[in-house]
Amino acid sequence: NAGVTQTPKFQVLKTGQSMTLQCAQDMNHEYMSWYRQDPGMGLRLIHYSVGAGITDQGEVPNGYNVSRSTTEDFPLRLLSAAPSQTSVYFCASSPSGGPTGELFFGEGSRLTVL
Amino acid sequence: KNQVEQSPQSLIILEGKNCTLQCNYTVSPFSNLRWYKQDTGRGPVSLTIMTFSENTKSNGRYTATLDADTKQSSLHITASQLSDSASYICVVSPHASGGSYIPTFGRGTSLIVHP
Repeated sequence: NAGVTQTPKFQVLKTGQSMTLQCAQDMNHEYMSWYRQDPGMGLRLIHYSVGAGITDQGEVPNGYNVSRSTTEDFPLRLLSAAPSQTSVYFCASSPSGGPTGELFFGEGSRLTVL
Repeated sequence: KNQVEQSPQSLIILEGKNCTLQCNYTVSPFSNLRWYKQDTGRGPVSLTIMTFSENTKSNGRYTATLDADTKQSSLHITASQLSDSASYICVVSPHASGGSYIPTFGRGTSLIVHP
């Protein structure tokens, strides 16, 4: 099993550009989520999904879109990148219990917005 | 607002020594508390989980304790190794009866183990 795979690992954008961070898991987990990690702050939940076709907002959803068409994939879209979105993004999945279960994280995607 | 505070912010110890990391939380009602280890440039990995009724849980050289009355948890690392150098993150999940089940993450304690 590859676990949770995120691409790309690194990305540089200009203000106003859009892009999609990809996340795929091969563990058949129903719950998937996106977090951002900024220096000196804890991981913050952006969006999450409890199953295919179901998504919901987390703590910091503004400027991001998600969709969940399959169990395996949960892409995160930045609609119009801003410097405040410079961060490290983590995708995580959980086999049961939703967000309160054990989270399996990807390796992260480091995004810089100029 | 639910909060998770970790101390110290950073810690440097010599290889072979023991150390204890602290986590205080205000999350209530409480479902479970997890400790994650995050190596530099990697995603966090779960070390231990404790529910309300548990007060200690071990995973090799890692032992977590929980005092639900005082809302405090600690992670004790025994006979530290160079590979223990990482950030340790405390995560507290609320009980769904409280209206939310989004976990609250602490900012982490950065541990450096020197040879």
